[in-house]
Amino acid sequence: DAKTTQPTSMDCAEGRAANLPCNHSTISGNEYVYWYRQIHSQGPQYIIHGLKNNETNEMASLIITEDRKSSTLILPHATLRDTAVYYCIVRMYDKVIFGPGTSLSVIP
Amino acid sequence: DTAVSQTPKYLVTQMGNDKSIKCEQNLGHDTMYWYKQDSKKFLKIMFSYNNKELIINETVPNRFSPKSPDKAHLNLHINSLELGDSAVYFCASSHRQATYEQYFGPGTRLTVT
Repeated sequence: DAKTTQPTSMDCAEGRAANLPCNHSTISGNEYVYWYRQIHSQGPQYIIHGLKNNETNEMASLIITEDRKSSTLILPHATLRDTAVYYCIVRMYDKVIFGPGTSLSVIP
Repeated sequence: DTAVSQTPKYLVTQMGNDKSIKCEQNLGHDTMYWYKQDSKKFLKIMFSYNNKELIINETVPNRFSPKSPDKAHLNLHINSLELGDSAVYFCASSHRQATYEQYFGPGTRLTVT
């Protein structure tokens, strides 16, 4: 499975867009990019996923570079409730490998 | 309605005891998982079952034995508990295909004293 690298931590002002980068340079052609987040000690929560094209849902947007070696999760208007650890994962079928993620702090 | 539920939420027990954690999902998924999150907050997959069959078995001591009585349930039994087993255990479920996301339960915090 491909591995990912993310910044350890980031800050974002409330109401501004939070852009969380992820590198996955060894991703293979049939592996999807997934994003999850974990708020405090709750169970991880699915955010969004994509294969090649950019994706958007009610929570976030996912921008995947053309060579698929990196991606960016965008939270368009960050709120205090978005403070969490964000995990970027590449996945094919069952095995999901979580890295240390990015700890995002949304600041009032 | 809770999608993925786990019981108990907290479990405190002594070394050497045997304990079980139960997981149930009402999403109609065919695949269920157990993850362990240790004090360093790393989430590691332990087991995965698809239609009651074991499909992922990571390097986990054989004191840990998952049991899937049906597609909606995946229980985790732990024998001879050790201090190092203290962690938060998460159950998750999904459809098997890579295009489907995993839904996680609220976690069970196990403390071994």
